[in-house]
Amino acid sequence: DAMVIQNPRYQVTQFGKPVTLSCSQTLNHNVMYWYQQKSSQAPKLLFHYYDKDFNNEADTPDNFQSRRPNTSFCFLDIRSPGLGDAAMYLCATSSQTGAYEQYFGPGTRLTVT
Amino acid sequence: KNEVEQSPQNLTAQEGEFITINCSYSVGISALHWLQQHPGGGIVSLFMLSSGKKKHGRLIATINIQEKHSSLHITASHPRDSAVYICAVNLNFGNEKLTFGTGTRLTIIP
Repeated sequence: DAMVIQNPRYQVTQFGKPVTLSCSQTLNHNVMYWYQQKSSQAPKLLFHYYDKDFNNEADTPDNFQSRRPNTSFCFLDIRSPGLGDAAMYLCATSSQTGAYEQYFGPGTRLTVT
Repeated sequence: KNEVEQSPQNLTAQEGEFITINCSYSVGISALHWLQQHPGGGIVSLFMLSSGKKKHGRLIATINIQEKHSSLHITASHPRDSAVYICAVNLNFGNEKLTFGTGTRLTIIP
């Protein structure tokens, strides 16, 4: 089945220790999104790629970076995680930008100690 | 005031009851999405609507563009329907982004 896969599902990192979260998709979608969702809050868009074009949200901290080496994979790098970065990180894809259905992965829950 | 408002915030019902969750928005949109999120889980897209009504199994979604309102209905509710239901919209401008509602936490008691 075509799907969006996130690894790992749970990640524990230490304060200030860089961490990378991974997303892959078998849908061959052009667009990949990274969302941050804190407890009992709506998801917040961090950035998205349309193909190789990177689109950063204005309020995404510089601490968050992303890479998309090919159509299938996208990575979220947190350079120096703080306690406030503990959250669920959701990857999503869509075939095009705009009003198209988004397909979400299961998420990676990040804990910062 | 949020651009997307949902009601109720929390809903508890008995198994078998007919469920309605409402979503109102205050801006022009190109599409509205209903999403489902189970505790600790990822998000599943249930519907994407720009007009009218869609049905999938026991789930029905409607939208009234003039009234800027959408409803999600669940018939013959079951405990496995317990989840957070999120309404999200693509705004007419900057429409690649989803603007999310605050979510409705649904609990179905056996």
